[in-house]
Amino acid sequence: DAGITQSPRHKVTETGTPVTLRCHQTENHRYMYWYRQDPGHGLRLIHYSYGVKDTDKGEVSDGYSVSRSKTEDFLLTLESATSSQTSVYFCAISEDSGQGNYGYTFGSGTRLTVV
Amino acid sequence: RKEVEQDPGPFNVPEGATVAFNCTYSNSASQSFFWYRQDCRKEPKLLMSVYSSGNEDGRFTAQLNRASQYISLLIRDSKLSDSATYLCVVDNQAGTALIFGKGTTLSVSS
Repeated sequence: DAGITQSPRHKVTETGTPVTLRCHQTENHRYMYWYRQDPGHGLRLIHYSYGVKDTDKGEVSDGYSVSRSKTEDFLLTLESATSSQTSVYFCAISEDSGQGNYGYTFGSGTRLTVV
Repeated sequence: RKEVEQDPGPFNVPEGATVAFNCTYSNSASQSFFWYRQDCRKEPKLLMSVYSSGNEDGRFTAQLNRASQYISLLIRDSKLSDSATYLCVVDNQAGTALIFGKGTTLSVSS
């Protein structure tokens, strides 16, 4: 009954190549988020979206871009992958922006390794 | 002061023990508070929201002290299945997203 799926689940890529991660939801939620999780840093916000074509930067947005052309899809692109972008990437969806009681539902994550 | 701070642990407790986790946050204007649970190599999952009046869900009790900017989670009668990392979460200053603490690791042993 997963209302949010991420693809791919695992990826190994070479330094300097572009990479796109996909987040797909079936919940029709307005808000979508990309986080990365690294040891010692916890979850950090990369970008988020508050509607189709409406996106904004999070605290670690350098080297990343996003697009949201449909409510259900939120794409994260690493323009030119670097080893520092090796991480676990989580997508999340929410009914509200965060100032509510719904919280987020997370996808299963994408493990990205840049070699 | 970091936005959300938690004791990383690990907390190692026997089955049946009561354990408490604490968390402090820096944004006095925060309005939303949560505890998430994350199992090893899995995604975070919402455990419970935290309300000003405090709230309970079975063996779990969450408390919020706005004056001290402090959140707590109490787990009673710990089970082996409670072993996980517990993340303290608050909304950011702009109210546009959630900020996650680095988590507190709990290990319950038999």
